[in-house]
Amino acid sequence: DAGVTQSPTHLIKTRGQQVTLRCSPKSGHDTVSWYQQALGQGPQFIFQYYEEEERQRGNFPDRFSGHQFPNYSSELNVNALLLGDSALYLCASSGLQGIHEQYFGPGTRLTVT
Amino acid sequence: SQQGEEDPQALSIQEGENATMNCSYKTSINNLQWYRQNSGRGLVHLILIRSNEREKHSGRLRVTLDTSKKSSSLLITASRAADTASYFCATVHGSGNTGKLIFGQGTTLQVKP
Repeated sequence: DAGVTQSPTHLIKTRGQQVTLRCSPKSGHDTVSWYQQALGQGPQFIFQYYEEEERQRGNFPDRFSGHQFPNYSSELNVNALLLGDSALYLCASSGLQGIHEQYFGPGTRLTVT
Repeated sequence: SQQGEEDPQALSIQEGENATMNCSYKTSINNLQWYRQNSGRGLVHLILIRSNEREKHSGRLRVTLDTSKKSSSLLITASRAADTASYFCATVHGSGNTGKLIFGQGTTLQVKP
């Protein structure tokens, strides 16, 4: 049973560019959440998708957007990249509408230069 | 802003010793979870304790929850070098919550062989 997968593993972008990160949830899970983790910090909640809709959003600007597909996979898009967007982006999936423990992918390390 | 505060920020012990990490939070919770992260990669769920529970065990892990003090502790007994990692507490709030996790800053544990 495959766990949560994310692609790509690493990414280097330039300020002002746009980036798309991808996540496939664990089999049987229908809820996907995205987190941003800066170096030395705990993860911060970006948003959560359920039934192809954004259900809850953290304190992130509109430059951060997402999508969930019918097969429950998800994308995170970040526009107009800033140096401060450099971080590890983690995807987590869960079942039962997300109220139980979440299963995290290995993350995508984004570096903005 | 992050809800939890963890103490200590860093902990170094010898193999075989016990490790205790503490987590405090500010507002009432639905449940509290502990996660482990190795070398800045994905988080691994360790244990979940609900607001009406006071103690849970899982193998060498023991978690306590004191809702009157808004605090939790994670005890790892008979530590091993493989336990070296960062440990995060994460809280879930609200009875109908969608499972948004609010993480603390984490405790970095080093277990020396």
